[in-house]
Amino acid sequence: EADIYQTPRYLVIGTGKKITLECSQTMGHDKMYWYQQDPGMELHLIHYSYGVNSTEKGDLSSESTVSRIRTEHFPLTLESARPSHTSQYLCASSDLYGYTFGSGTRLTVV
Amino acid sequence: GQNIDQPTEMTATEGAIVQINCTYQTSGFNGLFWYQQHAGEAPTFLSYNVLDGLEEKGRFSSFLSRSKGYSYLLLKELQMKDSASYLCAVNTGRRALTFGSGTRLQVQP
Repeated sequence: EADIYQTPRYLVIGTGKKITLECSQTMGHDKMYWYQQDPGMELHLIHYSYGVNSTEKGDLSSESTVSRIRTEHFPLTLESARPSHTSQYLCASSDLYGYTFGSGTRLTVV
Repeated sequence: GQNIDQPTEMTATEGAIVQINCTYQTSGFNGLFWYQQHAGEAPTFLSYNVLDGLEEKGRFSSFLSRSKGYSYLLLKELQMKDSASYLCAVNTGRRALTFGSGTRLQVQP
């Protein structure tokens, strides 16, 4: 079944740790996105990609980085996590008909 | 800049009809989406409008007026499970969808 997967679902880590949030989709979509969402707040675009080896920063400044080596895989990395990075991170991919979101990763940095 | 406005919260009664409005001012327009998001979960697609008029899909309908920069989502025969946030999002033709802050709908018995 075509879908989009994010792991881990929940993550609690200490300040200063390096983490990578995984996102994979099996729909063959070229366009992929990372959004950040605090509870009850709007989604903010932090990164997007239009295809392999194409990545751009979004509207919201983020200390994270992304890579797109394969069409189906769009991981997000934080080199040194801080409590201000505590949030929900949503990955999405799109075609002409709309966006499909992953289940999200809820990150807590202590 | 991009500006999308929705009411922050709404309350309605089970079995009733509720209309959630969305107004937008964007530098481009290639369609408007409505998403449903339950607390702690990912948004799920509800509807898409690119031309003026009403799109109906079961208990959910969505209307668009491009000249007015206005859309609404109409939910009929409300059920308790419809309690969620409803997100209006515009495809401006640039980069990615721009989302409104969402409307939290509480359905009461």
